[in-house]
Amino acid sequence: LAKTTQPISMDSYEGQEVNITCSHNNIATNDYITWYQQFPSQGPRFIIQGYKTKVTNEVASLFIPADRKSSTLSLPRVSLSDTAVYYCLVGSNQAGTALIFGKGTTLSVSS
Amino acid sequence: GAVVSQHPSRVICKSGTSVKIECRSLDFQATTMFWYRQFPKQSLMLMATSNEGSKATYEQGVEKDKFLINHASLTLSTLTVTSAHPEDSSFYICSASVNNQPQHFGDGTRLSIL
Repeated sequence: LAKTTQPISMDSYEGQEVNITCSHNNIATNDYITWYQQFPSQGPRFIIQGYKTKVTNEVASLFIPADRKSSTLSLPRVSLSDTAVYYCLVGSNQAGTALIFGKGTTLSVSS
Repeated sequence: GAVVSQHPSRVICKSGTSVKIECRSLDFQATTMFWYRQFPKQSLMLMATSNEGSKATYEQGVEKDKFLINHASLTLSTLTVTSAHPEDSSFYICSASVNNQPQHFGDGTRLSIL
């Protein structure tokens, strides 16, 4: 069973900020939270990873509350090319730890 | 950063043929790689864990004799779909990671069995 729950789909317009929330009530102490983006017929692409509080990189921010039971991926000023499926996963960063995918969130960005 | 390469990107073959898919870690050594399968409009489903120098571990419901996995070196794992049939048509994706880094995925192989 997937360890995470996300909205199935979201719609947005170009230039808006998009926030996708993920629920992971049973996150373990050594689990990290990782978000991937997948376009059709491509493998998932790493977006961002965090353990607690806030992480920001050049493409997104990840907000994690103190209890770590949820997280929010924030995409600033989305464009049409951000239309994709976004997966939230939790798991250890130890090599050899498999990731179990949930259904993901299909983000559709319109002009 | 870690790069995982998959080959071929697409293969079309006749029913009954065996097909081999390669997964390579280009700039790191991976003692463990993972194989996933993805059907249209669905999420990735873990098939098996490939361990260098030992037998692969298969998820429940995945036939080990149908999906042969070989991990002969620290940079290469192969998945062979034996005697493929149309129902095996899918998108196959591999992944690998280094300790303390997130997993990286290959670009997938689209397998179409006629």
